[in-house]
Amino acid sequence: KQEVTQIPAALSVPEGENLVLNCSFTDSAIYNLQWFRQDPGKGLTSLLLIQSSQREQTSGRLNASLDKSSGRSTLYIAASQPGDSATYLCAVQTGANNLFFGTGTRLTVIP
Amino acid sequence: DGGITQSPKYLFRKEGQNVTLSCEQNLNHDAMYWYRQDPGQGLRLIYYSQIVNDFQKGDIAEGYSVSREKKESFPLTVTSAQKNPTAFYLCASKGQASNQPQHFGDGTRLSIL
Repeated sequence: KQEVTQIPAALSVPEGENLVLNCSFTDSAIYNLQWFRQDPGKGLTSLLLIQSSQREQTSGRLNASLDKSSGRSTLYIAASQPGDSATYLCAVQTGANNLFFGTGTRLTVIP
Repeated sequence: DGGITQSPKYLFRKEGQNVTLSCEQNLNHDAMYWYRQDPGQGLRLIYYSQIVNDFQKGDIAEGYSVSREKKESFPLTVTSAQKNPTAFYLCASKGQASNQPQHFGDGTRLSIL
């Protein structure tokens, strides 16, 4: 069964710093990999979706990469802001309805 | 604006009681999903539905039931058979294309009285 791991579980950085969040998965047979943001007590907001045939996706200050063969993805956040503080979740899709989630990285950006 | 609406935001269940969580979407999505989120764990799939009048069990369906009578609605009932129902419940929907992400509601937090 697919297992998704996110390291670190929590991260604190000063405002303006660039940072990288990591995600690893055990089975490389995936349709896509998705990064979500979750604010406390809220639902998930989709940030980036990388198809299995792609290597990276970019949206504004966010860049996500995918190395399917090694089972790894990174989410790079440039010039972090206090508003970026949230939990970031990685999920891999292995079938039409099978989305496996990691436990998330809780990011705090200190002003 | 299109989106997913979950209600209520907070819900309390008494011993032996069934409770129903509402999920409505106006995104014209065919597929809808229910997840459970516990502290320190990833989201786990309870039930999903790809089309009206059809639904399938996810990884942790025991103690839960669903219906899909309308495309827009996918209510989840937490039955008295679910012995540990305290959790944050999230509903999601998705369009047909494989490159579309799931869209999530704001969740319902269920607690035991």
